[in-house]
Amino acid sequence: KAGVTQTPRYLIKTRGQQVTLSCSPISGHRSVSWYQQTPGQGLQFLFEYFSETQRNKGNFPGRFSGRQFSNSRSEMNVSTLELGDSALYLCASSLAQGAAGYTFGSGTRLTVV
Amino acid sequence: SQKIEQNSEALNIQEGKTATLTCNYTNYSPAYLQWYRQDPGRGPVFLLLIRENEKEKRKERLKVTFDTTLKQSLFHITASQPADSATYLCALGENSGYALNFGKGTSLLVTP
Repeated sequence: KAGVTQTPRYLIKTRGQQVTLSCSPISGHRSVSWYQQTPGQGLQFLFEYFSETQRNKGNFPGRFSGRQFSNSRSEMNVSTLELGDSALYLCASSLAQGAAGYTFGSGTRLTVV
Repeated sequence: SQKIEQNSEALNIQEGKTATLTCNYTNYSPAYLQWYRQDPGRGPVFLLLIRENEKEKRKERLKVTFDTTLKQSLFHITASQPADSATYLCALGENSGYALNFGKGTSLLVTP
């Protein structure tokens, strides 16, 4: 079966711009989570969606937002980009709360210049 | 404050030996702990999950232990192979939320 698909794979944006990243979970998976990975901080939780509802949000500023559609596909948006937003953004899907493990996509590498 | 600590230094071992990676945590009450493998430029790949009421879990050459008194998990790879070279991440999940809290990972290098 197809894995978690994230688009685009690479992105270069300028400070102040906004960006939208997309994630298609494994078919049948209704929980989608987003993580930011940087060399200094490691993987940090952004938010989690289940059946179009955000159930949890990490400690990130309001510039980071997301949503989930009825087909479980999810998008995250970062507005007013800062240099520090440069990171690998990972999407993960699971059947329920993730207690059976998450399947991650390959990520979107965002570079802010 | 909450912390999840993994060996920050890379672990170099010889092929055929057992690799043991450590994950220590403070100020968490995990309902379960997961281990992932991550290769450069790729997303983490789920390996094993162990629940708070379990002491040990095995899967092929992998073994995980979970000691909630010591607040520690050990991850073992027996008969290691060069293909096992990667970064290994531990992640804690709590009943109160839907987030995984990750350690920063340990880099494992298995040499022939």
